[in-house]
Amino acid sequence: SQELEQSPQSLIVQEGKNLTINCTSSKTLYGLYWYKQKYGEGLIFLMMLQKGGEEKSHEKITAKLDEKKQQSSLHITASQPSHAGIYLCGADVDSNYQLIWGAGTKLIIKP
Amino acid sequence: NAGVTQTPKFQVLKTGQSMTLQCAQDMNHEYMSWYRQDPGMGLRLIHYSVGAGITDQGEVPNGYNVSRSTTEDFPLRLLSAAPSQTSVYFCASRSDSYNSPLHFGNGTRLTVT
Repeated sequence: SQELEQSPQSLIVQEGKNLTINCTSSKTLYGLYWYKQKYGEGLIFLMMLQKGGEEKSHEKITAKLDEKKQQSSLHITASQPSHAGIYLCGADVDSNYQLIWGAGTKLIIKP
Repeated sequence: NAGVTQTPKFQVLKTGQSMTLQCAQDMNHEYMSWYRQDPGMGLRLIHYSVGAGITDQGEVPNGYNVSRSTTEDFPLRLLSAAPSQTSVYFCASRSDSYNSPLHFGNGTRLTVT
């Protein structure tokens, strides 16, 4: 089973609606990273969360880290076509340089 | 700022051919790594390096070689290409062992026929 579970696997959302993607770890999180990938392109770093309860925002995207649940959520408010793509979470569960990865969430925005 | 630069962007190989995927970073990062990304499989670590002269195997190292002669460069060599190596390859680097993001190159889309 995946050490880092991402849900949902895919999401189709009407433009203008809000949405949430979750990332849950079976191990203690030392750091949690969110990336976005458009088809045929590289992974763009969005945000890093380090401490329990930490919340960061960038434009209309907010990410939170729940230390008790070992879970992070990525919330997009008033979705736009530019938000479409694949969102991946990665995590430090050790201090050995290696990240573990979620399988990704494919987000489609319907106009 | 160039960041992580990968070449080529696309490559088609015949089974049995060899090639080298190039990766260079200009951020003075000690850690560099190669991933492959396949549909339904997510990102899988091939090889990584924590400094010049130091390399180690990741999750899926078979069929690939790496070397790290300088801090900047981390080439990935396919010794004898197989159709199972058709994938998108990403090089990535980071500055610290944790609590620092991975910086990714733009990827190399490899097809082996």
